Amino acid sequence: NAGVTQTPKFQVLKTGQSMTLQCAQDMNHEYMSWYRQDPGMGLRLIHYSVGAGITDQGEVPNGYNVSRSTTEDFPLRLLSAAPSQTSVYFCASSYGQGGHIYGYTFGSGTRLTVV
Amino acid sequence: AQTVTQSQPEMSVQEAETVTLSCTYDTSENNYYLFWYKQPPSRQMILVIRQEAYKQQNATENRFSVNFQKAAKSFSLKISDSQLGDTAMYFCAFMRYTGANSKLTFGKGITLSVRP
Repeated sequence: NAGVTQTPKFQVLKTGQSMTLQCAQDMNHEYMSWYRQDPGMGLRLIHYSVGAGITDQGEVPNGYNVSRSTTEDFPLRLLSAAPSQTSVYFCASSYGQGGHIYGYTFGSGTRLTVV
Repeated sequence: AQTVTQSQPEMSVQEAETVTLSCTYDTSENNYYLFWYKQPPSRQMILVIRQEAYKQQNATENRFSVNFQKAAKSFSLKISDSQLGDTAMYFCAFMRYTGANSKLTFGKGITLSVRP
């Protein structure tokens, strides 16, 4: 059981380039989220999804797009990379039961540097 | 909106001693979850302990326990018999109890160093 898998683990981009951070989970979790972690800021929510075909914005969505065509995958797209998007990105998933959601499982993160 | 505050940026403790990490939160919800996550230098986010707000009993997981004070909106983590492997950043997090908007809101974290 792989859990939550993020690729790549490290990436360097030039300003203006686009890329997709991949996230896949094999636990049949309905809830998936993307966070970014910056020093002194904790983790901040970028986008989240409550199921295939359903996504919504979090606290810091600007410059990022998501889609959820399957339960397993939740890719995060950077449309035109900016140095302010230099960060560590985490994908997380969770399941619900009876309307209640249980703790999130996190991927190992992607360290992105935009130069 | 919910907010989570971790006012201590760093703490240090001697190996085998006990340390308490503080967390306060603000919410108008009555039912919710609270979590402590550990992030060691490997960067992996690891769930340490989980508390459901409707449960009065404090959660315990081996050497980790919480002091949950609902009225004071306080959720501290106690680590007993500290070990070198406990050196990490610790994040307190809040989540609504139910519904499509049950997202995690994190504090800024505290860096814990365990001294040999």
